[in-house]
Amino acid sequence: GAVVSQHPSWVICKSGTSVKIECRSLDFQATTMFWYRQFPKQSLMLMATSNEGSKATYEQGVEKDKFLINHASLTLSTLTVTSAHPEDSSFYICSARDLGYSNQPQHFGDGTRLSIL
Amino acid sequence: RKEVEQDPGPFNVPEGATVAFNCTYSNSASQSFFWYRQDCRKEPKLLMSVYSSGNEDGRFTAQLNRASQYISLLIRDSKLSDSATYLCAVNPFNSGYSTLTFGKGTMLLVSP
Repeated sequence: GAVVSQHPSWVICKSGTSVKIECRSLDFQATTMFWYRQFPKQSLMLMATSNEGSKATYEQGVEKDKFLINHASLTLSTLTVTSAHPEDSSFYICSARDLGYSNQPQHFGDGTRLSIL
Repeated sequence: RKEVEQDPGPFNVPEGATVAFNCTYSNSASQSFFWYRQDCRKEPKLLMSVYSSGNEDGRFTAQLNRASQYISLLIRDSKLSDSATYLCAVNPFNSGYSTLTFGKGTMLLVSP
């Protein structure tokens, strides 16, 4: 079964709306979770690393005030796309690894397809 | 040199064919390696881990060549359902707290 749950799976909303996406690790604790974005026919792009109890680490070129990340517990991280515009339309995917095990793979959530009209 | 490199393809093969992909990595200290499969408009899903001694799972065989710094994935008796993008992933820092580094993927198209 799924080890990382992401919600919602699909969002369509008007320009200017803020959208919150949740990512939960279901059967393990994740000090660190990862947020990716993928445009059609392009590769995964890491946006930020979400750290439980501290500030997220953003990749170069990703606006931290635009993409707010909150990692309030060891099983939940949220990404909020603030004042979303059509260019923010994309496939957003979260991922997590089991706490502290260096040889463990990353497990991905089902992804959230965001469409801004 | 990019951290993780893959031939983007597409690899077009007929059903029943054997196909192999390679993935090179630049950090010689990398310790763990994985192959993922991503279907169109879906999230990546773990296909298999790659062990030093090589490992096999049904029609899929993964191998690691540390000397030349690459991993490989061999698919035997290709099925139509194998059509997907295959991503390799490397843990460059031997840490459980950092993201794996993903290749951009190799697209496989299996035709009847």
